[in-house]
Amino acid sequence: GQQLNQSPQSMFIQEGEDVSMNCTSSSIFNTWLWYKQDPGEGPVLLIALYKAGELTSNGRLTAQFGITRKDSFLNISASIPSDVGIYFCAGPLGSKFYFGSGTKLNVKP
Amino acid sequence: DTAVSQTPKYLVTQMGNDKSIKCEQNLGHDTMYWYKQDSKKFLKIMFSYNNKELIINETVPNRFSPKSPDKAHLNLHINSLELGDSAVYFCASSQDLGADQETQYFGPGTRLLVL
Repeated sequence: GQQLNQSPQSMFIQEGEDVSMNCTSSSIFNTWLWYKQDPGEGPVLLIALYKAGELTSNGRLTAQFGITRKDSFLNISASIPSDVGIYFCAGPLGSKFYFGSGTKLNVKP
Repeated sequence: DTAVSQTPKYLVTQMGNDKSIKCEQNLGHDTMYWYKQDSKKFLKIMFSYNNKELIINETVPNRFSPKSPDKAHLNLHINSLELGDSAVYFCASSQDLGADQETQYFGPGTRLLVL
């Protein structure tokens, strides 16, 4: 079935550093979603992108909808310890939502 | 107010037992889902319901039976629990079925441990 390829799988960074992660697909998506899952919680929607080329920010988070509509990027600037968690990309296609395998972010104080 | 709620949050039970997990959403959405998250954190769709009608059943053993009494509720009943059923189960909802511009909202998860 359709898969979203998300990378990197995990990251270990120092507090204050910037972070980038991306998601690619072999299919065209018309919506890209980015979620964060805190330990012991459910995924929470961070940013939704609806238009190719769109750049949307949510505080220190910025996400971009790739021009080809087959990829999306999430950047976190000036990371802090509470950014720790798993970040998932996702998108609706047909009657389903597809999810990436997640990027696990670790931030050292 | 919690948008998507699940109960219980934790469930520890013996192999062979039958258990249920409940989910409710107060977002007025038409579509609800059950996902299983394994130890590698991969989110795998199990079922989706749209207006109480089963839409997706992703090769889930028939020991798992979802029930949607109304649009706001989607419960999951599991018969004869097996060790491999141990996982985190997430309920989610969206306004419609995976259409463009849809977003999906998740519950807090039910952590099932089968001993």
